[in-house]
Amino acid sequence: AQSVTQPDIHITVSEGASLELRCNYSYGATPYLFWYVQSPGQGLQLLLKYFSGDTLVQGIKGFEAEFKRSQSSFNLRKPSVHWSDAAEYFCAVGENTGFQKLVFGTGTRLLVSP
Amino acid sequence: NAGVTQTPKFRVLKTGQSMTLLCAQDMNHEYMYWYRQDPGMGLRLIHYSVGEGTTAKGEVPDGYNVSRLKKQNFLLGLESAAPSQTSVYFCASRTAEIVYEQYFGPGTRLTVT
Repeated sequence: AQSVTQPDIHITVSEGASLELRCNYSYGATPYLFWYVQSPGQGLQLLLKYFSGDTLVQGIKGFEAEFKRSQSSFNLRKPSVHWSDAAEYFCAVGENTGFQKLVFGTGTRLLVSP
Repeated sequence: NAGVTQTPKFRVLKTGQSMTLLCAQDMNHEYMYWYRQDPGMGLRLIHYSVGEGTTAKGEVPDGYNVSRLKKQNFLLGLESAAPSQTSVYFCASRTAEIVYEQYFGPGTRLTVT
């Protein structure tokens, strides 16, 4: 069965510093991968997605992610974090089943210090 | 466009009470989903629908029922609420043409005492 691991429950980054959130997946075929962000009290917003092609994908709000098949990873990065980036981030893999279920990781909460 | 909306935003129930959560989308999406979010567990799929009049079970369907009588609405029902159903519930939808890109509503926070 497909699974997604986000090994970091919490991460604290200073404002202006770079960020990398880790995501590892387990899937037999070429995965469809997503990063979503959830601000406090809000729903999930899609940051970026990978279906095929270029392994470095750009998303909204200055985020990017790199798909590395050899490492089964899809890490999220941002070169300079802003205080408004404080939120919870979810990595998800799309199952290639009849109903196309998304399997989510458990999330990483990002705290931004001044 | 309002996107995906959910009603209500908050609700407190007593054990054994029933209620219905409403999800509405104005994007003419074919697929709709109900998830629950619990601390440390990410989002888990409760039920989903691939079109008007069709529904199916996800990974945690017990204690819930759903209906999709209209394409734009997806209802989640709790017939006899239990404390284990205390959670945040999210609805999502997507078009059949864009694989897997789901759009989420703002969530409903449900507490069962």
